[in-house]
Amino acid sequence: NAGVTQTPKFRILKIGQSMTLQCAQDMNHNYMYWYRQDPGMGLKLIYYSVGAGITDKGEVPNGYNVSRSTTEDFPLRLELAAPSQTSVYFCASSYSMRQLFSNQPQHFGDGTRLSIL
Amino acid sequence: GENVEQHPSTLSVQEGDSAVIKCTYSDSASNYFPWYKQELGKRPQLIIDIRSNVGEKKDQRIAVTLNKTAKHFSLHITETQPEDSAVYFCAARDNFNKFYFGSGTKLNVKP
Repeated sequence: NAGVTQTPKFRILKIGQSMTLQCAQDMNHNYMYWYRQDPGMGLKLIYYSVGAGITDKGEVPNGYNVSRSTTEDFPLRLELAAPSQTSVYFCASSYSMRQLFSNQPQHFGDGTRLSIL
Repeated sequence: GENVEQHPSTLSVQEGDSAVIKCTYSDSASNYFPWYKQELGKRPQLIIDIRSNVGEKKDQRIAVTLNKTAKHFSLHITETQPEDSAVYFCAARDNFNKFYFGSGTKLNVKP
């Protein structure tokens, strides 16, 4: 299993450009997440998905969009890139059937380092 | 929503000493608390976790304790080694399976 795969690893964008960060997992996990990590900070949840066709906002969703058409893929879209979106983006997945007292951890991808100039 | 606070932000210890990192959470419904280690430029890696119906869990030199009443949990690393140097994050999972992370602790183990 490859686990969680993110592409690209690095990207430089100009202000106002758009792009899609790709995330794929091969573990048949139902939950998927997008986080951003600013320098010296913790991870902030952007969007998450509980399964194909279902997405919901996290703590910092403004400026981003997501879709989940399949169990495996969860792309993150930046429509009008702004300097404030310069960050490292992590995708994660987990499996949860009976959540209470379950200790299903998140599996993280290697991240996408995005700079907007 | 859930709010997780983590202290200290930096911690420097001598090799062989113990290190303790503390986190508090606000949502009493949170039910699962993982700890991650993140080396520079790498993904977060799970090192230990604890469920809300357990008070303590140990894995070799690493242990986690949970006090549900006080809503805090702690990471304990004994006999620290230089390779333990990294940033450590605590997290709490709420009833909607969303994870909230602390701001991180940079641990420096001096040889």
